[in-house]
Amino acid sequence: RKEVEQDPGPFNVPEGATVAFNCTYSNSASQSFFWYRQDCRKEPKLLMSVYSSGNEDGRFTAQLNRASQYISLLIRDSKLSDSATYLCVVSRYSGAGSYQLTFGKGTKLSVIP
Amino acid sequence: GAVVSQHPSWVICKSGTSVKIECRSLDFQATTMFWYRQFPKQSLMLMATSNEGSKATYEQGVEKDKFLINHASLTLSTLTVTSAHPEDSSFYICSALEGQQASGANVLTFGAGSRLTVL
Repeated sequence: RKEVEQDPGPFNVPEGATVAFNCTYSNSASQSFFWYRQDCRKEPKLLMSVYSSGNEDGRFTAQLNRASQYISLLIRDSKLSDSATYLCVVSRYSGAGSYQLTFGKGTKLSVIP
Repeated sequence: GAVVSQHPSWVICKSGTSVKIECRSLDFQATTMFWYRQFPKQSLMLMATSNEGSKATYEQGVEKDKFLINHASLTLSTLTVTSAHPEDSSFYICSALEGQQASGANVLTFGAGSRLTVL
């Protein structure tokens, strides 16, 4: 089992739709969780950190379920500008001041007019 | 917010030459930096984890003698692609961790990437 797995894409949705991405992780020692967004030929940029209590930022809602070891990202009222690849990132402290971050392969979202 | 500067953003070189890419954290100290490679339409692939003052930890399958990493200060890590060949052409991205809390509550900031083309 891969350490971080994401929904296979691509997701093609119409404008205004609600879309959900899931990500599972295998290492129970994982401590921090993030969703990054990567536009074509650009670097990933932090979209949201994911907290146990869940967090919301406008149209975006992130959830963490430690018991089941998955995180989710919900995008409501999709915009054309939401088209990108969404990366799930899991972090854990690996000792001696070092951290290990593992990326999912990403899920491509295309929002269609 | 945290800014990571990566330079050069684009480089074209002849086969057999070496290319150095710099990654700087501009307003924070980064004990740990990461180097990734991304081929077109593929996901990020972690190449190595760079810790200040110690040897980098390379991922399986990444040649440490081919991709030299130096993390001499808390704000600078460099990746040198030695004797580059066309198959090394790729998008190389660095990232740095801001904050070193044991709880893992830290944020990863990426450089803008360096696109390497080896002729």
